[in-house]
Amino acid sequence: EVQLVESGGGLVKPGGSLRLSCAASGFTFSNAWMSWVRQAPGKGLEWVGRIKSKTDGGTTDYAAPVKGRFTISRDDSKNTLYLQMNSLKTEDTAVYYCTTVVAARPGGYYFDYWGQGTLVTVSS
Amino acid sequence: EIVMTQSPATLSVSPGERATLSCRASQSVSSNLAWYQQKPGQAPRLLIYGASTRATGIPARFSGSGSGTEFTLTISSLQSEDFAVYYCQQYNNWPPLFGGGTKVEIK
Repeated sequence: EVQLVESGGGLVKPGGSLRLSCAASGFTFSNAWMSWVRQAPGKGLEWVGRIKSKTDGGTTDYAAPVKGRFTISRDDSKNTLYLQMNSLKTEDTAVYYCTTVVAARPGGYYFDYWGQGTLVTVSS
Repeated sequence: EIVMTQSPATLSVSPGERATLSCRASQSVSSNLAWYQQKPGQAPRLLIYGASTRATGIPARFSGSGSGTEFTLTISSLQSEDFAVYYCQQYNNWPPLFGGGTKVEIK
């Protein structure tokens, strides 16, 4: 059974930093492309970023609102995905979900398994 | 950038009735569309990909149709566990984009 368990959320002041983790099990993590998707309170879903498997180059890409501030990384030896969030803004307040990615076409992917999410609150 | 528009925002349906949800893309996304279900306090769950293919374990009462710019998710006979918010997502172009969601509530 695929399991994704996020941790690391909490309250942080604007301009601060936070690192989220996602512990994966039930599948071959090292072969998987992974993403983070967020959801502001009472709002819809917003893709944050994606990391390929190391076999496929291990590259990342990001949504425009977070590019240059957020960094996705992975530790395949620990089956863990990370999201380093710097220069946080109040508008980054959201539940952050870790997901597995299905790369359906070049540049096009959807999300088949989701963790339960971790809440990040950016407030002074 | 593609814009995904879902309608209606809220759909009131009685248990056992049919629900029809719409998703429109501002430009063609071919059949590269997914649907997700999200219940209160839970993570989203993949229902449909490729516009019409049910994901693993999804009941047959859920069906997807459409291509290009117009898509439909149909729930043939609503069960109590189907009352939730439904999102569409295009993956024809980068970045992946979600619609604003349709809430299916009990009438």
